[in-house]
Amino acid sequence: DTAVSQTPKYLVTQMGNDKSIKCEQNLGHDTMYWYKQDSKKFLKIMFSYNNKELIINETVPNRFSPKSPDKAHLNLHINSLELGDSAVYFCASSQDTTGSGELFFGEGSRLTVL
Amino acid sequence: SQKIEQNSEALNIQEGKTATLTCNYTNYSPAYLQWYRQDPGRGPVFLLLIRENEKEKRKERLKVTFDTTLKQSLFHITASQPADSATYLCALDIHLGNDMRFGAGTRLTVKP
Repeated sequence: DTAVSQTPKYLVTQMGNDKSIKCEQNLGHDTMYWYKQDSKKFLKIMFSYNNKELIINETVPNRFSPKSPDKAHLNLHINSLELGDSAVYFCASSQDTTGSGELFFGEGSRLTVL
Repeated sequence: SQKIEQNSEALNIQEGKTATLTCNYTNYSPAYLQWYRQDPGRGPVFLLLIRENEKEKRKERLKVTFDTTLKQSLFHITASQPADSATYLCALDIHLGNDMRFGAGTRLTVKP
């Protein structure tokens, strides 16, 4: 079983559309994250959720909204997509919210906005 | 400003040699630092963690050092193999483990 799974793996869409990426973890972790990796391979945190509460909300446009229906899921909704949103989005989870927990990443969702 | 810099974008070495990757940071005081491996088209995979009160950590052919005075971590792969070819990322804890900040990575190529 995949520990952190995200769907879809590839997403191609037009500017202005709204899309979602889903993430599920079966590790029983308390904290989940969304990271964005751009074309230069720089991995940047977007959101961090602990027990369904938003902890970190890095300076991302409010077109991006995380939704956590339960502890095992953290979905990413993106409204009014722009060309600059093209990137690989990684979901991750960690067990230890007090620090030092390793991050378990999904395989990534490559978003291409045309 | 806060920065995490990994010494080079790419590093090429011969099989059997030791690869040394550097991670420098400024204006952070992390409680610990992690190293990850990322293969093309895959998510990063955790390798090692070292805490601020630890000087060195080892795991099989991997060794990590952490100098909080120099604000630097070194990541060594001894007896390198072509299978070690990947991008290696360092990550710093910013907020009690809920906010890990990554460097841009170093792409290591080990040639046979």
